Amino acid sequence: ETGVTQSPTHLIKTRGQQVTLRCSSQSGHNTVSWYQQALGQGPQFIFQYYREEENGRGNFPPRFSGLQFPNYSSELNVNALELDDSALYLCASSLRRVQNTEAFFGQGTRLTVV
Amino acid sequence: EDQVTQSPEALRLQEGESSSLNCSYTVSGLRGLFWYRQDPGKGPEFLFTLYSAGEEKEKERLKATLTKKESFLHITAPKPEDSATYLCAVQAGNNRKLIWGLGTSLAVNP
Repeated sequence: ETGVTQSPTHLIKTRGQQVTLRCSSQSGHNTVSWYQQALGQGPQFIFQYYREEENGRGNFPPRFSGLQFPNYSSELNVNALELDDSALYLCASSLRRVQNTEAFFGQGTRLTVV
Repeated sequence: EDQVTQSPEALRLQEGESSSLNCSYTVSGLRGLFWYRQDPGKGPEFLFTLYSAGEEKEKERLKATLTKKESFLHITAPKPEDSATYLCAVQAGNNRKLIWGLGTSLAVNP
């Protein structure tokens, strides 16, 4: 049990809709990263938030956006959903203040776009 | 371009049959190499962090080693419960993002 919780665990949406995924980071961690993992693939970095600001972004279009709140929890928003957005979305928290710390992952949200 | 490659893609072992998984990397300014275990439909579970060539870490039947170009995850006398996908990730430069390999899917038969 890592202390990182994600909600919901499963979600089915229709193409064109919008979705919000949520993540509560591990106690004491101030950095949250979001990843997309397609079946049989490694996680792909979407973006990272540190102290409520975006701190690095992967190769994802602007319809993928995020927020981090003062308590370090985070949201991932995806607009205009496409079928290829179907994947496991992972949230990982870490302590940026300490270099090279490992990231602890939540169980993920399985998003299916139909 | 920073890259992480894992081999083999899939490995099937008999219980008790030791083997090694490989993670080779080409990055600028390695800050850490991470091994994770992932069960189907779940998030990755942290196993080890290695920071410099020559470093080794052990946990139960697993031992991770690091050179300047690659890391090995040695599995000694595996059990069926070790069946999972093992992912390698590298952190490089000042960017906090992890660069991931595609993983090795390990199946241990009883």
